[in-house]
Amino acid sequence: IAGITQAPTSQILAAGRRMTLRCTQDMRHNAMYWYRQDLGLGLRLIHYSNTAGTTGKGEVPDGYSVSRANTDDFPLTLASAVPSQTSVYFCASSDSADTDTQYFGPGTRLTVL
Amino acid sequence: GQNIDQPTEMTATEGAIVQINCTYQTSGFNGLFWYQQHAGEAPTFLSYNVLDGLEEKGRFSSFLSRSKGYSYLLLKELQMKDSASYLCAVIGSNYQLIWGAGTKLIIKP
Repeated sequence: IAGITQAPTSQILAAGRRMTLRCTQDMRHNAMYWYRQDLGLGLRLIHYSNTAGTTGKGEVPDGYSVSRANTDDFPLTLASAVPSQTSVYFCASSDSADTDTQYFGPGTRLTVL
Repeated sequence: GQNIDQPTEMTATEGAIVQINCTYQTSGFNGLFWYQQHAGEAPTFLSYNVLDGLEEKGRFSSFLSRSKGYSYLLLKELQMKDSASYLCAVIGSNYQLIWGAGTKLIIKP
């Protein structure tokens, strides 16, 4: 059992390019989340999904989109990458969307040049 | 606004005890988490407090005072592997986590 996997591990991307970060969990968790982590700042929520088929905007959603076609997968797409999107991206999941513990994937380190 | 404050960095000695404080001002409170994050790795769950008081789990304990908007993480018998960042996060009124910037703990031999 892998828990949560993310791909790619790292990526260097030219500005203006489209990029999808993949996230898959095998814990049958209902809720999934995408965060970005930047030096000196706390984790910031980009988008979330409380259950398959639904998504919501977090604190910093601009420039990002998500989909939740099934329970296991929650891809994050950057439609047209900009240098300010250089960050470490973490996917997380929890059994439910209220007070349950969130479990994190290993992260994707993205550099936009 | 919503705010979580933690010290940026702390240094402690192997074998000693260290207390990492977290103060919060949020619209609503539904619990507080502490996570550990080693450099270059994902955050991992340490503790969860929703009621006032101390929760003990081995070498780690976490305390919460809701009336003061305050929590601390206590680490005893420090080991070199405890060198990491410690993240405080509060579940706000919309059940989304609000994260502090984390406290980098440096353990010296």
